[in-house]
Order: sequence, then C-alpha cells, then structure tokens
Amino acid sequence: GIQVEQSPPDLILQEGANSTLRCNFSDSVNNLQWFHQNPWGQLINLFYIPSGTKQNGRLSATTVATERYSLLYISSSQTTDSGVYFCAVPSPRAYGGSQGNLIFGKGTKLSVKP
Amino acid sequence: DAGVIQSPRHEVTEMGQEVTLRCKPISGHDYLFWYRQTMMRGLELLIYFNNNVPIDDSGMPEDRFSAKMPNASFSTLKIQPSEPRDSAVYFCASSASGSGNTIYFGEGSWLTVV
Repeated sequence: GIQVEQSPPDLILQEGANSTLRCNFSDSVNNLQWFHQNPWGQLINLFYIPSGTKQNGRLSATTVATERYSLLYISSSQTTDSGVYFCAVPSPRAYGGSQGNLIFGKGTKLSVKP
Repeated sequence: DAGVIQSPRHEVTEMGQEVTLRCKPISGHDYLFWYRQTMMRGLELLIYFNNNVPIDDSGMPEDRFSAKMPNASFSTLKIQPSEPRDSAVYFCASSASGSGNTIYFGEGSWLTVV
C-alpha cells in the first residue's frame, strides 16, 4: 500500500520562528490534505492540495506531485500553532468522491514556546 | 452548520461491556467515515458509508465491531464485547462527493476500557 512519511517527527520552536514540515508519499496520488490536531484532539483540515501552492494566512502548502512530496510552511509561529500536523493521501481503495478515505502519516508534533 | 457531532465525548467502561458511539454528520454530506486513533497505529480508517450504504469495512478490526447508518443524519459504531485494547479515540467524519471537497472531523469519542 501507499506509504506516507512525515518529517521531522518532533519540532520545538520559539514563538515567531518559521518552520517547514515535509510529507513524502510512495505512489502517485490525486490529492493530498494537511490537518492540524490541536492539543485538545480536534482535527482541522488546513489544505486540500493535490498540486501547486496554496496560502492561508501564515500557513502555506506546496505539493510537487511528480516528485511525491508536499511541504507545509508555518511563518511567524504562535503558541496556538502547537499540536500535531498530519498529511494524508487517498487510499488505493478510495473511489469516486470518497476523498475522505485517507491514509495518514504519523504526524509532526510541533511545540511553540512563548 | 454545527459540524460533525459525536457522542459520548468520553466513556470509561469495563471489559466485556457493550459500547455504542454515535455520530451526526454535516447535513448534505453523503460520505461518512469512522476512524480510530491510537498511539501505536495512528489514525486508521475503520469503515465508510456513501448514501448510508457501507462501502468498505475492511478496516474493522474484528467481528466485535459493527457500524450502521440507518439514515443520512445518524450513524453508530458498536463494540461488543469491549476489550482493553479497544481503548482509543474514535473519530467520525463526513464529506460531500466531488473533487476538492474536504473531510470534516468530529471532536472524537475518547474510549477507555478497563
């Protein structure tokens, strides 16, 4: 099956610093999603990004599908950015509109210190 | 919309007891997903429905687990009998078909089996 690897597994930042999180996937995919799980466990979708670059405030994401990786950039980090960041790609068993049938990476745990 | 609603938020039960987790998807979404999150295995898909019909239940760990979706606004995940290794966070999520439609997660049901 598809392998999804994220790096680094853990990251500690000082507030205000920038960071780049990486997601590698082992096979061609038609979409990729980034999620943030906050310290209370809530999973929030950040980006749906099969290719190219998208930006949302201090966060941006780039997927290079031909090279099978995606990057999540966090600029001017804040303590509220702490949590675990997951990337996910569709399962090979997904069909049609079932974009939610996902294989998740193990995540990058981010801690932003004040 | 209120988002995906799950209940209970937390449950502690004794081994051997029946556990029923409930989910109300976002109105108008035609896909519903049940995920489980553990430290060892991360986030994994258990089962998903399309228009109330189970499409793929290959992620259901064993016969002790069952899921139903009697109508478009309600789904249950049942564990009978429960075992300590079932302790995990169970997420329900929903999405609407069509490319570019993202998946929305509920806040999760935190299950502890003692």
